[in-house]
Amino acid sequence: GAGVSQTPSNKVTEKGKYVELRCDPISGHTALYWYRQSLGQGPEFLIYFQGTGAADDSGLPNDRFFAVRPEGSVSTLKIQRTERGDSAVYLCASSLGGAPNTEAFFGQGTRLTVV
Amino acid sequence: GQNIDQPTEMTATEGAIVQINCTYQTSGFNGLFWYQQHAGEAPTFLSYNVLDGLEEKGRFSSFLSRSKGYSYLLLKELQMKDSASYLCAVGGTDKLIFGTGTRLQVFP
Repeated sequence: GAGVSQTPSNKVTEKGKYVELRCDPISGHTALYWYRQSLGQGPEFLIYFQGTGAADDSGLPNDRFFAVRPEGSVSTLKIQRTERGDSAVYLCASSLGGAPNTEAFFGQGTRLTVV
Repeated sequence: GQNIDQPTEMTATEGAIVQINCTYQTSGFNGLFWYQQHAGEAPTFLSYNVLDGLEEKGRFSSFLSRSKGYSYLLLKELQMKDSASYLCAVGGTDKLIFGTGTRLQVFP
């Protein structure tokens, strides 16, 4: 596709369950970012990939959160033992190159609700 | 530390001009971005400033003063469709750092 694709668009899960959120970036974009956005707030940085490696994971809130990008394209954000506070929209973005001085293209996000 | 401040909400009238300010203090600077985000949608890129001065793009202009840690987004000839959140973001050493966003409501 032409843009960043995220699936699922909505996910409702019970507290304590495991979830996986998928991001398919724009073809050829080496940089991939995960952000989390709560209502009325700006996107909060979680993790940044350059190719297959996590170049910066300083935004992951705790060890329940993990992300992979094994082939340098699709990425999966994994959340273990979900908590109600994890409820938010999870946004993925990709850009050409690795420096944050180029336009980042965002997906529509996955709205995660933990009940 | 990282700190990006912008007003929470603003209102304006259709056809008017509005200026949304953003001040920032960040470690590392690789330019300042403005994104527009309609409710329930993804942020979309509006502008990028890395040098001081004004960048004009149609009805939207963006200004940067690096010495003051200050930027603004200027929207002219406001239309109803401009009602959205406007996110100020600083390019840090390896990622974009976003402010909380300014929710703009345009009234007829």
